[in-house]
Amino acid sequence: EDKVVQSPLSLVVHEGDTVTLNCSYEVTNFRSLLWYKQEKKAPTFLFMLTSSGIEKKSGRLSSILDKKELFSILNITATQTGDSAVYLCAGALRRGGATNKLIFGTGTLLAVQP
Amino acid sequence: DTGVSQDPRHKITKRGQNVTFRCDPISEHNRLYWYRQTLGQGPEFLTYFQNEAQLEKSRLLSDRFSAERPKGSFSTLEIQRTEQGDSAMYLCASSQQGQGLYNEQFFGPGTRLTVL
Repeated sequence: EDKVVQSPLSLVVHEGDTVTLNCSYEVTNFRSLLWYKQEKKAPTFLFMLTSSGIEKKSGRLSSILDKKELFSILNITATQTGDSAVYLCAGALRRGGATNKLIFGTGTLLAVQP
Repeated sequence: DTGVSQDPRHKITKRGQNVTFRCDPISEHNRLYWYRQTLGQGPEFLTYFQNEAQLEKSRLLSDRFSAERPKGSFSTLEIQRTEQGDSAMYLCASSQQGQGLYNEQFFGPGTRLTVL
């Protein structure tokens, strides 16, 4: 059965701290891994990772994928209160020539205190 | 706003009633997905369409659930004889199957269903 496991389930940090969120996956016909941020509404797309070892960056956020170990991390440096959210990791399955469904983890709840 | 839209945003109904939700994807996207999310969980896949064809349905989608995308644009998700266990956020997402093989999904704001 396809599954995605995220850790920790929740995390409380202070502004300015650096955090690392973990995601491991067991997904048949794996195509890519996606990270989303969810703040009491729909998930907002952050990154899509398809190749091992290539870091993707967007401002203070970065992410990398290890397809051998079936693992990804999301780093947030110099955290701000606005980073408080649930961070979701999802594995995308390949069907035919493109992805179809996403298998999500339960998410990591990040709370950044001032 | 050119993102994914969903209607209604909130729905409260009594057990046994039927409800219907609508999703309008990003206009050029040919793939549309429905997910369900309960409190403390990540979204769970329900079904998806490529154009008007429904290509996959999850085992989560019981006989009381039906989804359509009749003209390959907007989609509806109907739940018949609602049960309290149907209470959840119903999310719609869309993506474009194009020249690239890696197509991220963009989510709408969701419809929050409460069954009393």
